[in-house]
Amino acid sequence: GNSVTQMEGPVTLSEEAFLTINCTYTATGYPSLFWYVQYPGEGLQLLLKATKADDKGSNKGFEATYRKETTSFHLEKGSVQVSDSAVYFCALNTNTGNQFYFGTGTSLTVIP
Amino acid sequence: GAVVSQHPSWVICKSGTSVKIECRSLDFQATTMFWYRQFPKQSLMLMATSNEGSKATYEQGVEKDKFLINHASLTLSTLTVTSAHPEDSSFYICSASEVQETQYFGPGTRLLVL
Repeated sequence: GNSVTQMEGPVTLSEEAFLTINCTYTATGYPSLFWYVQYPGEGLQLLLKATKADDKGSNKGFEATYRKETTSFHLEKGSVQVSDSAVYFCALNTNTGNQFYFGTGTSLTVIP
Repeated sequence: GAVVSQHPSWVICKSGTSVKIECRSLDFQATTMFWYRQFPKQSLMLMATSNEGSKATYEQGVEKDKFLINHASLTLSTLTVTSAHPEDSSFYICSASEVQETQYFGPGTRLLVL
């Protein structure tokens, strides 16, 4: 079946620290992979995506590389800011039926 | 980018009443809309998928008579929680899709049933 496994949080970092949030997936076929961010009290916003193996998605200093050999899509940022505090969701779309599968989310808090 | 709105953003109701939540795609036509439910500190759970003009497809374990979904036009889908009870209190999020793979999410509706 299709599923996404994310590292559990919460994660607390100091400003300017390096961020990694691990995400691995199980999927049939060739899924597209996504990272969504959810700020308190709001819906999900697309952060970045990658549609095929070895693609790197990037946005706002965040990046993630689609690794088919390790079935992973880890999120990284070199220097986090307080404004990055949010919950981050890894997700996959099977491209058949347009259905998303979400990880459990990882809460990130960045302290000054 | 594409914008999806939800109304209301917050609703408090008494147990036994019905609540309707609207989801609109503001600047594109959504062939498919999705309804999710999110419990505190948990991930999104897909409740149902609806295509304009046809009946919604519900995920296993979701009561279709409890959660009525109508996708009357290419820009509007509604979710009605019928005879709401406290256990229905949750954060409901819709998303809309114009083309395969891309979904745009609404800001969510927080429902509290007293």
